[in-house]
Amino acid sequence: QQQVKQSPQSLIVQKGGISIINCAYENTAFDYFPWYQQFPGKGPALLIAIRPDVSEKKEGRFTISFNKSAKQFSLHIMDSQPGDSATYFCAANSSASKIIFGSGTRLSIRP
Amino acid sequence: EADIYQTPRYLVIGTGKKITLECSQTMGHDKMYWYQQDPGMELHLIHYSYGVNSTEKGDLSSESTVSRIRTEHFPLTLESARPSHTSQYLCASGQGTDTQYFGPGTRLTVL
Repeated sequence: QQQVKQSPQSLIVQKGGISIINCAYENTAFDYFPWYQQFPGKGPALLIAIRPDVSEKKEGRFTISFNKSAKQFSLHIMDSQPGDSATYFCAANSSASKIIFGSGTRLSIRP
Repeated sequence: EADIYQTPRYLVIGTGKKITLECSQTMGHDKMYWYQQDPGMELHLIHYSYGVNSTEKGDLSSESTVSRIRTEHFPLTLESARPSHTSQYLCASGQGTDTQYFGPGTRLTVL
């Protein structure tokens, strides 16, 4: 019940396309859903996050879509650029539990 | 940029050596974490602390130990390093249920 399932494991998108990464969770007590971006040789860094009281959050080219009833959330990267090539981790957290990370998605944007 | 530091950044040592990986943060965060990660792969929580003199083992069994004598400092020690310990070690800190801030990581190679 503590797992966060992330897919796909890897993703190749053409420059200018839309990248979509999906995550699903079981624990309905989770109340904070961040996405982290990690470049090679660096630690993960917070990209964007959402709380379950809203269904969508947008920051620039990055959007989180949140479906509370389905217990799913996804990251959309619009107009994907080569500089977006990185590993992306979704996560879920609550005051009663440790943060749980998804298994990661390696995104590669082809020029 | 988060104020969390890890030293050394890279370490190559022989089997059987004792090592300590340092992690410090200047944000006054109560919560600190150690993760083990092979490049581009899943984040595995190996230790965490919710405050001074509080340490817990994470989800992945590890032969390392940690201590939390000061809020800002959370070192990780391997008493006798083995080749199976070769990996990247990431330290993170956070407050409440929100963002975790990651350090740059220590890349450990045991020969």
